[in-house]
Amino acid sequence: EADIYQTPRYLVIGTGKKITLECSQTMGHDKMYWYQQDPGMELHLIHYSYGVNSTEKGDLSSESTVSRIRTEHFPLTLESARPSHTSQYLCASSEWFGTRGNEQFFGPGTRLTVL
Amino acid sequence: TQLLEQSPQFLSIQEGENLTVYCNSSSVFSSLQWYRQEPGEGPVLLVTVVTGGEVKKLKRLTFQFGDARKDSSLHITAAQPGDTGLYLCAVYDRGSTLGRLYFGRGTQLTVWP
Repeated sequence: EADIYQTPRYLVIGTGKKITLECSQTMGHDKMYWYQQDPGMELHLIHYSYGVNSTEKGDLSSESTVSRIRTEHFPLTLESARPSHTSQYLCASSEWFGTRGNEQFFGPGTRLTVL
Repeated sequence: TQLLEQSPQFLSIQEGENLTVYCNSSSVFSSLQWYRQEPGEGPVLLVTVVTGGEVKKLKRLTFQFGDARKDSSLHITAAQPGDTGLYLCAVYDRGSTLGRLYFGRGTQLTVWP
């Protein structure tokens, strides 16, 4: 069973608010990812991390930022939320090497609605 | 341009029916994965196929990797309501040290009792 957690599961906020989506994993994985998922569209990688103090932007331009101060924690922050940020946000992690190095374990997601 | 094309996009069937969904590309891949995502949850890996022509079975689910390693299919026998979910195929970019996955848009399967 995957041990990766996301909070909150659902969030409805007004435009202009600052929000942080939390993601934690207890598997000791070095690699972590944030995806954005919209109905009928592929998962878009928006941020990733190789390990502590390593963060990079993914393919999809995003106004969010991430940090990786601890191996197990990879929060995503939106400084000023807008309706265009409304989406499902999925966090994932994977091992660096090994036979399962390319299997990604996903959290349950945060459904964000910005009014 | 999508790297992976999944079809059909939606599939609605009755319990007990058989079905096949497809994942196609013009590129060759070293491996391909299938994930299932249930409502309100994140995707969960079902299987990884790595060899051209490979067939893997997971209970009532049969996965096949094309001989040329450009496409894959998922066949479900005697579908059950518990099979309802979004089926995603994904490929691993070995050229990237990140080990990133590229996903298709998925097939949304609904199985009615």
